Amino acid sequence: LAKTTQPISMDSYEGQEVNITCSHNNIATNDYITWYQQFPSQGPRFIIQGYKTKVTNEVASLFIPADRKSSTLSLPRVSLSDTAVYYCLVGDPGHGSSNTGKLIFGQGTTLQVKP
Amino acid sequence: DTAVSQTPKYLVTQMGNDKSIKCEQNLGHDTMYWYKQDSKKFLKIMFSYNNKELIINETVPNRFSPKSPDKAHLNLHINSLELGDSAVYFCASSPWRDYYEQYFGPGTRLTVT
Repeated sequence: LAKTTQPISMDSYEGQEVNITCSHNNIATNDYITWYQQFPSQGPRFIIQGYKTKVTNEVASLFIPADRKSSTLSLPRVSLSDTAVYYCLVGDPGHGSSNTGKLIFGQGTTLQVKP
Repeated sequence: DTAVSQTPKYLVTQMGNDKSIKCEQNLGHDTMYWYKQDSKKFLKIMFSYNNKELIINETVPNRFSPKSPDKAHLNLHINSLELGDSAVYFCASSPWRDYYEQYFGPGTRLTVT
């Protein structure tokens, strides 16, 4: 069971690059790594997903080392609107028999972007 | 058009009551989930259904029972509500193959008094 650990909070300033690292020492072979963003009073929103190496989309990059025991979400040039809670999710939905899938969210990192 | 909707948005009830939260998705997904988020923002999966079949059933009290009448709906029934059940409950959906990209509803804030 891949437990995840993230920093509780981070502060940054507008225009800076922000890197949030998630530790998942017990990640399993079939597990993917996903990051979500959550604003107050809203449901989480998918940001990016990866299995290994580096993944980049229009909003973020995800760096995963070869051992896959951690991952780093990189947000380039943050703005005030990036202030939110960021969750690292590691898991495998399970295939075949019931109750074999496990999806584990980290405790979330509260990112505060200051002007 | 709301992709994943939940009703009600707020639910205030007394201990011992039975209540239900409804969830509907119009994305054509075949997998749906229920999550519980407590006051400390921990987000924990409770159940997952794929094509109306229970896939994930985390250790939750058996007072909680999900029901999936069809692929587009996953309702959560809670019997004999307790103070500790107060939380925000989120419904989500995804395609089975792309389970990692889940679409969440707006949440239902349940307050048990």
